[in-house]
Amino acid sequence: QQQVKQSPQSLIVQKGGISIINCAYENTAFDYFPWYQQFPGKGPALLIAIRPDVSEKKEGRFTISFNKSAKQFSLHIMDSQPGDSATYFCAASSSGGSQGNLIFGKGTKLSVKP
Amino acid sequence: DAGVTQSPTHLIKTRGQQVTLRCSPKSGHDTVSWYQQALGQGPQFIFQYYEEEERQRGNFPDRFSGHQFPNYSSELNVNALLLGDSALYLCASSRQGISNEQYFGPGTRLTVT
Repeated sequence: QQQVKQSPQSLIVQKGGISIINCAYENTAFDYFPWYQQFPGKGPALLIAIRPDVSEKKEGRFTISFNKSAKQFSLHIMDSQPGDSATYFCAASSSGGSQGNLIFGKGTKLSVKP
Repeated sequence: DAGVTQSPTHLIKTRGQQVTLRCSPKSGHDTVSWYQQALGQGPQFIFQYYEEEERQRGNFPDRFSGHQFPNYSSELNVNALLLGDSALYLCASSRQGISNEQYFGPGTRLTVT
């Protein structure tokens, strides 16, 4: 199974609130889980990534939570700002034979209202 | 430190034509991957080049081909263009050994009419 399922499709959050985006995967060979942020007309920018040896990783206002047994991971954006309004993609890949082949979710369009 | 660069930014082609897109990787990176992103979708992996060879390929037809040069830059060629090839084509670079940590360029918007 190569799919990565992402939800919700869209999200509206008030300024200062917490944005939460969830992803689930099936392939147990996946061992690298990045999140990308994409603004209209731009390429995806690597935001934060996690490997399964840790359950949480925090960088500034962005936190990834990882649940290996449930095969789920999520992105939390604390103190959400209007400048965070973008489309967010989760992705997954393995370090084995298909190293480098990132499998992306379908994206979540985040709107942060002032 | 220059990031990943792509050219051209936009391109309009007619069905049946051929197109070549170009990518220069981030400084220090030796691996280039190409992705196709349809409107409203996540990027889909086309193929990856390392040491001037195609190392992996996604589920794309042979009309999609590529090349990597000794300076690590890369080209994506698409022959016999179809309307469905209209998309944003993204190049991502990485270092072999950590090639799943990929940095994307701004993309080339291809429109096929």
